[in-house]
This record gives sequence, structure tokens and C-alpha cells, in this order.
Amino acid sequence: EDQVTQSPEALRLQEGESSSLNCSYTVSGLRGLFWYRQDPGKGPEFLFTLYSAGEEKEKERLKATLTKKESFLHITAPKPEDSATYLCAAPGDSGYSTLTFGKGTMLLVSP
Amino acid sequence: GEEVAQTPKHLVRGEGQKAKLYCAPIKGHSYVFWYQQVLKNEFKFLISFQNENVFDETGMPKERFSAKCLPNSPCSLEIQATKLEDSAVYFCASSQGADNEQFFGPGTRLTVL
Repeated sequence: EDQVTQSPEALRLQEGESSSLNCSYTVSGLRGLFWYRQDPGKGPEFLFTLYSAGEEKEKERLKATLTKKESFLHITAPKPEDSATYLCAAPGDSGYSTLTFGKGTMLLVSP
Repeated sequence: GEEVAQTPKHLVRGEGQKAKLYCAPIKGHSYVFWYQQVLKNEFKFLISFQNENVFDETGMPKERFSAKCLPNSPCSLEIQATKLEDSAVYFCASSQGADNEQFFGPGTRLTVL
């Protein structure tokens, strides 16, 4: 069964305190690893797609990296507005494009 | 449009009533996906379409759920005879290609009383 596991479940940071979120996956033949941000009461907002081990993508204070078994979302000098739930997802092995989501990391950045 | 649109934003139904949700994908996107978010961050895939054709329906509870994507109309997800456990936020997403990133709408919150 395809598995996408995120850790930690929740993370509390002070403004400016850098950290990393982890997403490990057991999907074989990975056809993409997606990161999303979800704010309360809203739909997931697309952040990054990573396709191959060693790939990195950056956007403002966020950088996503991918290895053969996991992905990291690095947050550098976070601000309170970075507070959200961060989700990673991967298409399963079925040959279709159904996304299997992790349960997310809820990030709270305090001023 | 440039964003996935979903209507209504909220829907309240009594148990046993019908519920119908609508989704307009981003213009030019060929794929539409429906997901159900029950607990805080648990997404369950329901069904996907490639244009008006069902692409993958492995997640659909077939006895009460149905969905359509017809040309020149919003896609729809219909639940006949709603049950309490159908209470959830239903998200629609669209993508250009089967393995491209999916862009999500704001969701429809269905409450079954």
C-alpha cells in the first residue's frame, strides 16, 4: 500500500528560527512529490513539485529537497505568515494520478 | 478561469436528503479530481475525470455517490440519501496533465444533520 508519512505532526517556531519538515514515502516508481500549504478553511495551495532525487526547488523562505525515500521542506527565518499546515502528496502506484496525502505538519510561527 | 471554483461554499442537508456540489476547473485543464477531507488533514480520493470521461473511480462509494463532467458545464458531485458520515469538506482539483501538479478549489463544506 502506498504510504506518505509526515513528521512532525505539529511544530512551533519563533520568528526567525529555521527548521525542516519531513515527508517520507514508500511509493515505488515515483512520478512526482508535491508540497502544498493549507490555511484554515481553505483549499491546499500548490508550492512545489519534485521529480527526481537530488532535485531542489525554492520559493521565498521555503526550499524543498528530494532523496530516494524522503523529501524535506526547509523553512529559513520563518515569519508568522508562514503559519499553516504543510502537506506532501505523491501519486500512487496504480498507474493513475490519484494523490496520496500525508497527514500534514501544522506549523505555528510566533512573533 | 484562473482558479478552480467550487459552489456552494457551505451546504447543510438533513440525513437522507440529496446534496449536489459543483466545480469549475481552471480553463485549459483536462483533468478534474474530487477529494473528501473528513478529519483535519485526511484526504480521501473519490474520483477523477479526463475531460468528460471517468479516469479513476476507485475511491467512489458507488451506491450513493455519482459524478459527472459534461462539456461546457461545471463538473458535479452528487450524493443521494446523505448520511451523517458524509459530513466533510469536498475539494475539487484540476491539472493540465495526469501527473502534473493539481490545483485545488476552496472546497464545499457539507454538513449532514
